[in-house]
Amino acid sequence: NAGVTQTPKFQVLKTGQSMTLQCAQDMNHEYMSWYRQDPGMGLRLIHYSVGAGITDQGEVPNGYNVSRSTTEDFPLRLLSAAPSQTSVYFCASSSSGSTGELFFGEGSRLTVL
Amino acid sequence: RKEVEQDPGPFNVPEGATVAFNCTYSNSASQSFFWYRQDCRKEPKLLMSVYSSGNEDGRFTAQLNRASQYISLLIRDSKLSDSATYLCAVNPSWGKLQFGAGTQVVVTP
Repeated sequence: NAGVTQTPKFQVLKTGQSMTLQCAQDMNHEYMSWYRQDPGMGLRLIHYSVGAGITDQGEVPNGYNVSRSTTEDFPLRLLSAAPSQTSVYFCASSSSGSTGELFFGEGSRLTVL
Repeated sequence: RKEVEQDPGPFNVPEGATVAFNCTYSNSASQSFFWYRQDCRKEPKLLMSVYSSGNEDGRFTAQLNRASQYISLLIRDSKLSDSATYLCAVNPSWGKLQFGAGTQVVVTP
């Protein structure tokens, strides 16, 4: 029962470094998304994908890249980390982009110094 | 103004009591509505979808008021295990689920 798996769970970066948060799901969901969660702000959508090869921007896409080469994987890349990107990142997947339940990974806690 | 707003709480509720709280949304074109539950430092999990006619799942009742653009969640006979943050989620367009910042509920013995 893996569901949605995110790695790493914790990461500390220095300003300007780049890194990739990995996300994989084994439910054969077409829809996948990345959110960040900050205190008082709730979950904000960064990018989403409706299938392999198709991605689109969410509410706060700047500073992040995504790609979807397979149905299972949806990595999130931080190009040049900034302190403002310190957050908890959640990957989620769903069988539908509108009415389906979102299944979340356990989250990745990122600190940028 | 945030597109999905919730009272952050906390709502302190004696065990066995009823608690209710709302979530307002700004996009009148929104079609799908949900309540998620999030325990401290954990991932959100779907509690229930919210249907136009209102729906109930055990001790939980969700309502949708399209005219006033809000959804509500009522918890009856509160249990200690109901202590959590409740996030409302609204789907203003396909693929873009928007979340409120959450309402914290603390059930006390």
